[in-house]
Amino acid sequence: DTEVTQTPKHLVMGMTNKKSLKCEQHMGHRAMYWYKQKAKKPPELMFVYSYEKLSINESVPSRFSPECPNSSLLNLHLHALQPEDSALYLCAGKHRDGVNTEAFFGQGTRLTVV
Amino acid sequence: KQEVTQIPAALSVPEGENLVLNCSFTDSAIYNLQWFRQDPGKGLTSLLLIQSSQREQTSGRLNASLDKSSGRSTLYIAASQPGDSATYLCAVTGGAGSYQLTFGKGTKLSVIP
Repeated sequence: DTEVTQTPKHLVMGMTNKKSLKCEQHMGHRAMYWYKQKAKKPPELMFVYSYEKLSINESVPSRFSPECPNSSLLNLHLHALQPEDSALYLCAGKHRDGVNTEAFFGQGTRLTVV
Repeated sequence: KQEVTQIPAALSVPEGENLVLNCSFTDSAIYNLQWFRQDPGKGLTSLLLIQSSQREQTSGRLNASLDKSSGRSTLYIAASQPGDSATYLCAVTGGAGSYQLTFGKGTKLSVIP
C-alpha cells in the first residue's frame, strides 16, 4: 500500500475546463509536494507545502493553483490548461520538509489536455 | 546548480544476473541520496535512502552505496528477475543551495527471462 494516494488516476480535460487533482496521506507527513513529469524526463518540482503553508512555488503558471486544506490533503486546481501541460502529476510527502527525511510518492495522475 | 547523471540510460540483462546502476552528482554537499523505482506510467516507489554520513544501505536483493566525496552512488541488484524491469531514478537532496530533490534522468532496466 502506498502512503500517498492520488485521485483520479487518469484525467482528460479540455482547455476551457476546470478540474482538480487530489492527494491524500494519513502518515503524518507535514511536508507535501507537487511534481510534474513529462514522458522520459525526471520529475520537476512545482510546489512545496510545509505545515500546510505554501513555502515554494517554482515559477509555475497561475493556471495551476495549489491548495492545502488540512495536513492530510493537498489539491491542485487546474484552469485553462494548454496541451503542453499534459503530463504525469505526482504528489509526494515527507514527515517534515527536512533534508534528512525520506520522500514517498503517490501513483500519479495522468493528465491529458485536449 | 546541482546536476545528477545516471549511466547507462538503458540496460538489458538476462534473468539471474547481478547488475550495477550508477549515479553521479556534481556538488558533493548533499544531505542524502534516494533511489526510486518507476514502472511505466506509474508513480515512484522509494527503494533506499542513504544519509550523507552513511556508506551503504541494504534492502533484500538491493544494496546502495554512497561515496559522497567523489560524488557517486551505485545501486547493486543481485540475482535479477523479470519483475525488476523498470526505470530506476536516483535523487539527491542538497548541493548548490538546494534543499529539495534533484533527480537524474534514470536508467531503464529490462531483465530478460
